[in-house]
Amino acid sequence: GENVEQHPSTLSVQEGDSAVIKCTYSDSASNYFPWYKQELGKGPQLIIDIRSNVGEKKDQRIAVTLNKTAKHFSLHITETQPEDSAVYFCAASIRDSGYSTLTFGKGTMLLVSP
Amino acid sequence: SAVISQKPSRDICQRGTSLTIQCQVDSQVTMMFWYRQQPGQSLTLIATANQGSEATYESGFVIDKFPISRPNLTFSTLTVSNMSPEDSSIYLCSVGQDSSSYEQYFGPGTRLTVT
Repeated sequence: GENVEQHPSTLSVQEGDSAVIKCTYSDSASNYFPWYKQELGKGPQLIIDIRSNVGEKKDQRIAVTLNKTAKHFSLHITETQPEDSAVYFCAASIRDSGYSTLTFGKGTMLLVSP
Repeated sequence: SAVISQKPSRDICQRGTSLTIQCQVDSQVTMMFWYRQQPGQSLTLIATANQGSEATYESGFVIDKFPISRPNLTFSTLTVSNMSPEDSSIYLCSVGQDSSSYEQYFGPGTRLTVT
């Protein structure tokens, strides 16, 4: 089955700096890669995703890049703010004609200091 | 995206008892899933709740321990049976809008403590 590795497990940055979280996946058939943000006491929130036919996707201060050859994808957050502090999870799935389940990484705790 | 609610939001239960968690969606969805998130850990899929048929369980999870119902396209329940302290976790419901969509959206979770 699919295996997703996520690094780092914790990341501390100063407000205004950039943050990068990296994930690798094992199954070359995976074609959908979402990122979730989980704040304390809340459920995971989908913040951005990318499909395998795209190399990069941006949404304001966040972006995701995908390297299919190397089987890794990354989340980039620019101009970090204290409210970006949360646990971030990457995931991978094989999405075809049926519905496929998500395999999650172990999460990265991002701490943004004012 | 769909608005998902879960009841209860948290509970403290005695060992050996059972708890049923409800997941309600404000619109009809094709796919509903149940996840477990142990303290400080990642999300692990328990099962896919299929409307009108038995749930599909992942390796390591069985129907006797985690019976699931899905009576319609907006509602599902997960029961945690014969609980032990190891069952203390956050239980999360997620939904996929329809069979052609990629995105999954999560509910707020149910925080279960077993004493």
